[in-house]
Amino acid sequence: NAGVMQNPRHLVRRRGQEARLRCSPVKGHSHVYWYRQLPEEGLKFMVYLQKENIIDESGMPKERFSAEFPKEGPSILRIQQVVRGDSAAYFCASSPNDRGFYEQYFGPGTRLTVT
Amino acid sequence: KQEVTQIPAALSVPEGENLVLNCSFTDSAIYNLQWFRQDPGKGLTSLLLIQSSQREQTSGRLNASLDKSSGRSTLYIAASQPGDSATYLCAVNTGFQKLVFGTGTRLLVSP
Repeated sequence: NAGVMQNPRHLVRRRGQEARLRCSPVKGHSHVYWYRQLPEEGLKFMVYLQKENIIDESGMPKERFSAEFPKEGPSILRIQQVVRGDSAAYFCASSPNDRGFYEQYFGPGTRLTVT
Repeated sequence: KQEVTQIPAALSVPEGENLVLNCSFTDSAIYNLQWFRQDPGKGLTSLLLIQSSQREQTSGRLNASLDKSSGRSTLYIAASQPGDSATYLCAVNTGFQKLVFGTGTRLLVSP
């Protein structure tokens, strides 16, 4: 299966802990996007990365959230000192480039629950 | 700021009906529009992608149209089946593949 992989699928963290969400894009795709879906809300763009570069992080909360897409390995979305309001489904998508001709392929998501 | 609205928010139909889901967006400067399906607790499955220069796309029983100048797209589902029950999302690409999503239409098709 060459689709977008995300792990873990479900993650439970206590308030104040760190959450690390991983995304492996479709093989050959160098553009990764993270979206967040809060309960009963639509998906919202968080960040767009290329290998080793953050291109657009306009949707990322200013504090506690960070993202990376290293030269080797998956993209990581990191949430420090989680709070209950961070409970959501986090989706990763990838595309082969940023031109408008291509679809974005989405992973199954990571459902984060903060207790 | 681009805003995407989907109407209706929920729809319940008997099997076999043809139905139309609506999506409107406020800024016509889009690169493309994508329709997705989301099953409860699952990820997104891409259904159709319409480029800004296109008027419609078809895949099986699905047909999506795009009227960029009026900021509207419709997803037409022919001969609906219980397996079509899901939430349908439309998303516009505002540039660099940054998608702005609508809040979805929850569809229930009863046998």
